[in-house]
Amino acid sequence: GESVGLHLPTLSVQEGDNSIINCAYSNSASDYFIWYKQESGKGPQFIIDIRSNMDKRQGQRVTVLLNKTVKHLSLQIAATQPGDSAVYFCAEKRGFQKLVFGTGTRLLVSP
Amino acid sequence: DTAVSQTPKYLVTQMGNDKSIKCEQNLGHDTMYWYKQDSKKFLKIMFSYNNKELIINETVPNRFSPKSPDKAHLNLHINSLELGDSAVYFCASSQDPGEDTQYFGPGTRLTVL
Repeated sequence: GESVGLHLPTLSVQEGDNSIINCAYSNSASDYFIWYKQESGKGPQFIIDIRSNMDKRQGQRVTVLLNKTVKHLSLQIAATQPGDSAVYFCAEKRGFQKLVFGTGTRLLVSP
Repeated sequence: DTAVSQTPKYLVTQMGNDKSIKCEQNLGHDTMYWYKQDSKKFLKIMFSYNNKELIINETVPNRFSPKSPDKAHLNLHINSLELGDSAVYFCASSQDPGEDTQYFGPGTRLTVL
């Protein structure tokens, strides 16, 4: 069956640390992966994406790594700030089919 | 300028009632979506419309009926509300069904008593 899951439901880090949020997927046919950030009381906000023909993609303070061999996706946030506290979702897509979301990881950043 | 907007933000109602949630996007996108987020934060797609036509219907009860009067609007009408309908409902849009980036609205928290 299909599944997009996360290893850790809650991740607590200190301000300034680097954060790594992990995600596993089961369908090797997925060709597009997205990370969304959802702050309390708001809708999911696009952070970064990666296609299956890439292993790594960098944005501003964020990096997404894709390991197709083990069907693993990770989001790295450098120098984590209190404003990064939110729930992070990975999502996968297969061509024109629906976007499938993982269960989410709550990131808590303490000063 | 709000890209994807929803009204109302909060909706509290009794079981058995009928209610509607409205969604509008000013991004010029062709495709719009409705998602349901449960109490455990799990997000699941309900419907997708492309240029006013239904393209995804994810085994949602018939009590839920989306309506798209034009491609900038996708409203969700719910009949005979049940306790299990309590959730946060998100509207989203994308340029087209193949466009991967979806832009989400702020959500509507529905509470059924």
